Amino acid sequence: AQKVTQAQTEISVVEKEDVTLDCVYETRDTTYYLFWYKQPPSGELVFLIRRNSFDEQNEISGRYSWNFQKSTSSFNFTITASQVVDSAVYFCALTLMDTGRRALTFGSGTRLQVQP
Amino acid sequence: GAVVSQHPSWVICKSGTSVKIECRSLDFQATTMFWYRQFPKQSLMLMATSNEGSKATYEQGVEKDKFLINHASLTLSTLTVTSAHPEDSSFYICSAPPVGGAGQYFGPGTRLTVT
Repeated sequence: AQKVTQAQTEISVVEKEDVTLDCVYETRDTTYYLFWYKQPPSGELVFLIRRNSFDEQNEISGRYSWNFQKSTSSFNFTITASQVVDSAVYFCALTLMDTGRRALTFGSGTRLQVQP
Repeated sequence: GAVVSQHPSWVICKSGTSVKIECRSLDFQATTMFWYRQFPKQSLMLMATSNEGSKATYEQGVEKDKFLINHASLTLSTLTVTSAHPEDSSFYICSAPPVGGAGQYFGPGTRLTVT
């Protein structure tokens, strides 16, 4: 079975600070996808990124960046120069590449509060 | 792009009644859809896998007689919460995998409150 751990329950930062959200995963499969989603108060999940297990390249998208390290089974997410609009719950998730089991396993989420 | 819709977006019902939630894939066909439940300040937990033309597969601990799933067409799955109780109050989210792709398209969710 798969497991995703987000040890940080809640993080509070002041606007313009950088913040890193941690994600550690467990799976016996060697082929899988990792995701990050943002869930604002409305509840609708917003897709942020997908990374497959073959690609350990870090990725940057504007103020967002992701660090994938298979050696430590981690897929951390950094927001640079945080803004109030970044306040939300962020979920890390995993799914296997095996098409017979495509549901996502979610971490417990990290609630980010960005204070003005 | 592909979109998954849910209806209703929120519903309030009385204890003991049944509530049906619809999940539609709007511009693609989905032979499989997933239903998740999210209690306040908790994560999304998979409840069941909805399979078009066959029985749903339920996760351990989810009562199949209470949460009836029907996947009657390639674009529609329904979740019926039967004899709802206050403890069933939750945020229900459905998803469908893209054809030939990875990940899921998520619906906007349905907030159920049982009084």
